[in-house]
Amino acid sequence: QVQLVQSGAEVKKPGASVKVSCKATGYTFTSNHMHWVRQAPGQGLEWMGIISPSGDSTTYAQKFQGRVTMTRDTSTRTDYMELSSLKSEDTAVYYCARDLAGSWTVDYWGQGTLVIVSS
Amino acid sequence: QSALTQPASVSGSPGQSITISCTGTSSDVGSYNYVSWYQQHPGKAPKLMIYDVSNRPSGVSNRFSGSKSGNTASLSISGLQTEDEADYYCSSYTNRDSWDFGGGTKLTVL
Repeated sequence: QVQLVQSGAEVKKPGASVKVSCKATGYTFTSNHMHWVRQAPGQGLEWMGIISPSGDSTTYAQKFQGRVTMTRDTSTRTDYMELSSLKSEDTAVYYCARDLAGSWTVDYWGQGTLVIVSS
Repeated sequence: QSALTQPASVSGSPGQSITISCTGTSSDVGSYNYVSWYQQHPGKAPKLMIYDVSNRPSGVSNRFSGSKSGNTASLSISGLQTEDEADYYCSSYTNRDSWDFGGGTKLTVL
């Protein structure tokens, strides 16, 4: 069965960077795009960007351009999302989420990674 | 402020039907059928309920249905059950090659 297993919670200081990993199993990793979506405490879902099945192409939400980098290691079936210049407003749960056949629909979600930004 | 507009809350009694709206523009909902709906219970990851406006994934109850008219998409739930109480989010692809979410709707089953 499809599983997306994310790395554990992180506590970072303002100005630092965080790198969240997402290991995929149970399907052909290079067949699906992967989205990253975040959710601040008590708030809604916010799309951050998407990486292509081969990992050679990314599209980032305008809000995060210049601060986010999404990468893919096909040998380990793992995606990464790195967010830099962290601010307190970046405190959120970060999800990786598998795209359903290029239809801008997510059919499987990771369990989420809590990132706390605090001095 | 979310790009897609949803009511903050809706409520219904067990057995009743409700509808949640999701209003966008001609740049997103109105131009693409890549509209999907997600259910989220507290502390859990979202779950796909409807995709491509009106398609139901395997395993999702047929009490859930989706539709679209112009710039507004809708999620309907019939025969409300207590386990339907959750937050619901719509989403749509946009002409900016991005993906927008609605602000979410809290469904209360009274």
